[in-house]
Amino acid sequence: EAGVAQSPRYKIIEKRQSVAFWCNPISGHATLYWYQQILGQGPKLLIQFQNNGVVDDSQLPKDRFSAERLKGVDSTLKIQPAKLEDSAVYLCASSSGTDTQYFGPGTRLTVL
Amino acid sequence: GQNIDQPTEMTATEGAIVQINCTYQTSGFNGLFWYQQHAGEAPTFLSYNVLDGLEEKGRFSSFLSRSKGYSYLLLKELQMKDSASYLCAVRERGSTLGRLYFGRGTQLTVWP
Repeated sequence: EAGVAQSPRYKIIEKRQSVAFWCNPISGHATLYWYQQILGQGPKLLIQFQNNGVVDDSQLPKDRFSAERLKGVDSTLKIQPAKLEDSAVYLCASSSGTDTQYFGPGTRLTVL
Repeated sequence: GQNIDQPTEMTATEGAIVQINCTYQTSGFNGLFWYQQHAGEAPTFLSYNVLDGLEEKGRFSSFLSRSKGYSYLLLKELQMKDSASYLCAVRERGSTLGRLYFGRGTQLTVWP
């Protein structure tokens, strides 16, 4: 069974630029999560989807971050404009309902 | 939200046993997860506890005491490949959303 796929694996941008990350969850998993993991810290939930609907985006900085999951499968996370403090690893995870979450390899973002 | 505390770093030698503790404070509890994360990689699921007691899975065991807000991960017969960060994560009670709150992680170094 294929795992969670993410791209790109690495991205370097300058502050105030825009960036987008893509995630393809495990087949059949209805729940998709985006996490931000700053160096030396645990992952922090940004947004959670159930199928194509948002069920929790309380920790998403909505002035600059947006996410969508239009067809209930793939998802994209966008940052516009980026700030220095957005440098982190962005992890996508998926689960079947509220069961164990399985993580993708992540996208390492560096904002200069 | 959750307040999750675990040691920042631990060291041990090959073949030894190590116990990584995690304490949490929560207004609601619906399970505790342990994940392993190697440097530059995604977290991978190790164990899940929702009832008090010990769950054993090969060289790894996890213990939970809900009354004390306490869990530990026990690693036996340590190998070099066990050098990684170990993340404790708590799931909210009463939530059908499966949201996890992660600790900062414990960086374990195994020496030969």
